[in-house]
Amino acid sequence: NAGVTQTPKFQVLKTGQSMTLQCAQDMNHEYMSWYRQDPGMGLRLIHYSVGAGITDQGEVPNGYNVSRSTTEDFPLRLLSAAPSQTSVYFCASSGTGREKLFFGSGTQLSVL
Amino acid sequence: GIQVEQSPPDLILQEGANSTLRCNFSDSVNNLQWFHQNPWGQLINLFYIPSGTKQNGRLSATTVATERYSLLYISSSQTTDSGVYFCAVGRTGSYQLTFGKGTKLSVIP
Repeated sequence: NAGVTQTPKFQVLKTGQSMTLQCAQDMNHEYMSWYRQDPGMGLRLIHYSVGAGITDQGEVPNGYNVSRSTTEDFPLRLLSAAPSQTSVYFCASSGTGREKLFFGSGTQLSVL
Repeated sequence: GIQVEQSPPDLILQEGANSTLRCNFSDSVNNLQWFHQNPWGQLINLFYIPSGTKQNGRLSATTVATERYSLLYISSSQTTDSGVYFCAVGRTGSYQLTFGKGTKLSVIP
């Protein structure tokens, strides 16, 4: 049982490049979410999904896109990376959104 | 949005000591969770506790939703308890989980 799997673990981008952070869970969870963690800021919600085909914005959605075509996968897309998007990104999932939340191991992203 | 305040921001303990971490929030909630982020960055869920009291080994948590606070108790602390403890809350009717800025705990031998 792998839980929540994020790839890649590390990534360096140049300003303006695009990329997709992958997130997959094998627990049949309906709820999935993306957070970014910056020093002194705690974790801030970017986007979340309560089921396949349903997504919604969190606290800091600008510059990020998501889609949820399957229950298992919830990719996060950066369309045109900016230095302000340098951060550690965490994907998380729970059964219904009002149960224990389980996190992936994170992706450290640097935008130069 | 809902405000979440954690105290203290930093805490240094001698191994074997007990501690209490506090989480205050500004609105009614139906979701409250405590997490531990270890020095390697991994986030571990400690408790899902929107109300009441739970215990897991040396850790216990109490949430008094009507008074808008939650407490995390760590007894007989060990060096492996070091890291940052986060409280996260979800306002009633919302699926968004808002995190506090955390309490950084250092347990010294």
